[in-house]
Amino acid sequence: ELKVEQNPLFLSMQEGKNYTIYCNYSTTSDRLYWYRQDPGKSLESLFVLLSNGAVKQEGRLMASLDTKARLSTLHITAAVHDLSATYFCAGARTYKYIFGTGTRLKVLA
Amino acid sequence: DTGVSQNPRHKITKRGQNVTFRCDPISEHNRLYWYRQTLGQGPEFLTYFQNEAQLEKSRLLSDRFSAERPKGSFSTLEIQRTEQGDSAMYLCASSLARGDEAFFGQGTRLTVV
Repeated sequence: ELKVEQNPLFLSMQEGKNYTIYCNYSTTSDRLYWYRQDPGKSLESLFVLLSNGAVKQEGRLMASLDTKARLSTLHITAAVHDLSATYFCAGARTYKYIFGTGTRLKVLA
Repeated sequence: DTGVSQNPRHKITKRGQNVTFRCDPISEHNRLYWYRQTLGQGPEFLTYFQNEAQLEKSRLLSDRFSAERPKGSFSTLEIQRTEQGDSAMYLCASSLARGDEAFFGQGTRLTVV
């Protein structure tokens, strides 16, 4: 059964700093997704990673996938306050998404 | 608004009552999912429809829970004899095809008192 773990669970960082969120999964995953969730809101899709070595970037966020290590990373460059949210990664077996517990990011001014 | 729509957004009910939630997926999406999210946790898979067929139900979905998707359009999730442990955010998502990203609705927050 696919299990997904994220770390850290909480991350407090200063504006302008860089940091990486890690997502490990236990067994083969067809795809890897990253979502953002603001408090009380739904999930917003950020990235879909389909194959080994995939890298995608949007603004200050960059996601990558290493299927051999069963690891995905979400790298934050020069953080700004607007990035404060909870970030989830999710693996997928066929149609079923399995989510990690999330990383709650707080960017301090 | 062409996104996934869920209603009601909030529901407070007394323990033992039945509740029903509705989800309207993005119109051309034939795959529909229900997830449950409790505070501080990631969403947990409940069930999946491809068109009108319910292809999988999680073990989390006890016999008090039932979901339908008549005609492969909107879906309903009913909880009978609600318990305090049912309090959570119920999220609906839809996708066009296998491998496509799922788009989530705003969710229905259920509070059982």
